[in-house]
Amino acid sequence: QVQLVQSGAEVRKPGSSVKVSCKASGGTFSSYAISWVRQAPGQGLEWMGEIIPVFNTTNHSHKFQGRVAITADESTSTAYMALSGLRSDDTAVYYCARDSRQYQLLPVAADIWGQGTMVTVSS
Amino acid sequence: EIVLTQSPATLSLSPGERATLSCRASQSVGSFLAWYQQKRGQAPRLLIYDASNRATGIPARFSGSGSGTHFTLTISSLEIEDFAVYYCQQRSYWPPEVSFGGGTKVEIK
Repeated sequence: QVQLVQSGAEVRKPGSSVKVSCKASGGTFSSYAISWVRQAPGQGLEWMGEIIPVFNTTNHSHKFQGRVAITADESTSTAYMALSGLRSDDTAVYYCARDSRQYQLLPVAADIWGQGTMVTVSS
Repeated sequence: EIVLTQSPATLSLSPGERATLSCRASQSVGSFLAWYQQKRGQAPRLLIYDASNRATGIPARFSGSGSGTHFTLTISSLEIEDFAVYYCQQRSYWPPEVSFGGGTKVEIK
């Protein structure tokens, strides 16, 4: 059974950066898109971007352009999301999620989710 | 940017009742629409993809319909475990982005 296991909670100061990892266990890795979605306390879901390793493709929300970097290490089946220029409103739970179908240039639906990583930005 | 508007924001119903949730897109998304359920403290759970296909293991009481700009998630007879927040999500071709609706909370009346 495929699982996504994320790195632990982080506390950062405003202006700094954070990097969250998402390791896939079981099944193939590179043929599925991995998306990153965040959720601020008490708020809804917000898509940040995705990586599709088999197509060497990344897409980002325009809202995070220039601040987010999504990468993947196929040798360890791990995806990463790095966010720079942190602000207090970046405080949120960050999720990685795997698309339900392989080889999708336009991934639509994620059926496997990580447990979430709490990132707190505070001075 | 495609904006998804969900209504109502909150739906107060009793177990056994039918729930009808709406999701409207600011422009056509074809059938590139999914629905998720999220319970407090948990990651979202995929219910429906491609507007009307149930994900693996999802009970038949959940159904999705619609295309273009108007979509509906129906729960035919609410079970206690169905009281949660529901999000719709779309995928656009260009720009290649994803967006979520603001969510509908289904609460016990």
